[in-house]
Amino acid sequence: DVKVTQSSRYLVKRTGEKVFLECVQDMDHENMFWYRQDPGLGLRLIYFSYDVKMKEKGDIPEGYSVSREKKERFSLILESASTNQTSMYLCASSLPWGLYEQYFGPGTRLTVT
Amino acid sequence: TQLLEQSPQFLSIQEGENLTVYCNSSSVFSSLQWYRQEPGEGPVLLVTVVTGGEVKKLKRLTFQFGDARKDSSLHITAAQPGDTGLYLCAGKERGAQKLVFGQGTRLTINP
Repeated sequence: DVKVTQSSRYLVKRTGEKVFLECVQDMDHENMFWYRQDPGLGLRLIYFSYDVKMKEKGDIPEGYSVSREKKERFSLILESASTNQTSMYLCASSLPWGLYEQYFGPGTRLTVT
Repeated sequence: TQLLEQSPQFLSIQEGENLTVYCNSSSVFSSLQWYRQEPGEGPVLLVTVVTGGEVKKLKRLTFQFGDARKDSSLHITAAQPGDTGLYLCAGKERGAQKLVFGQGTRLTINP
């Protein structure tokens, strides 16, 4: 059974803290994505990576950075968390060809106080 | 950025009723996917449609891709409480590696 796992289901951090969200996939997918999901706004792409050490900005990259040192792992970093980054964060992976169907992790609900 | 508009955003109906959810864009997509997301979980892929006019069925769910590949619909027959969830459509532009998601339709089926 294919799997995308995220390091935490729930996370509470304080304003100004550095936050790391980890995502691991076991499908040998080249593409990995980080989204945030807010009510009424759907899924908005923060960053994606199409290969190790390769990354591209999505629609809302401000305040975030990413790291992909290994094919199976894609990390999202909030350099200095702010309250407006309180959200559900979803990681996904896909093959770089075919139908580009995405497989999602269970999400991390991050609260910044 | 291409936009996908889903309607309605919220839908609450009784068990046994039929419903249709729409996903529209002014742009052409090479494929379109539908996902369902349950509370506290990530979205799960239901179906991918590729050809204009294509119809796919998944038990009581019928998915259609518009002839011009700009829109899609999801029809549920005899809805059941287990169909409750957030339904997301997502389109892929030709040559792109990423998907564009609609804002979702939150469906509640009342027993």
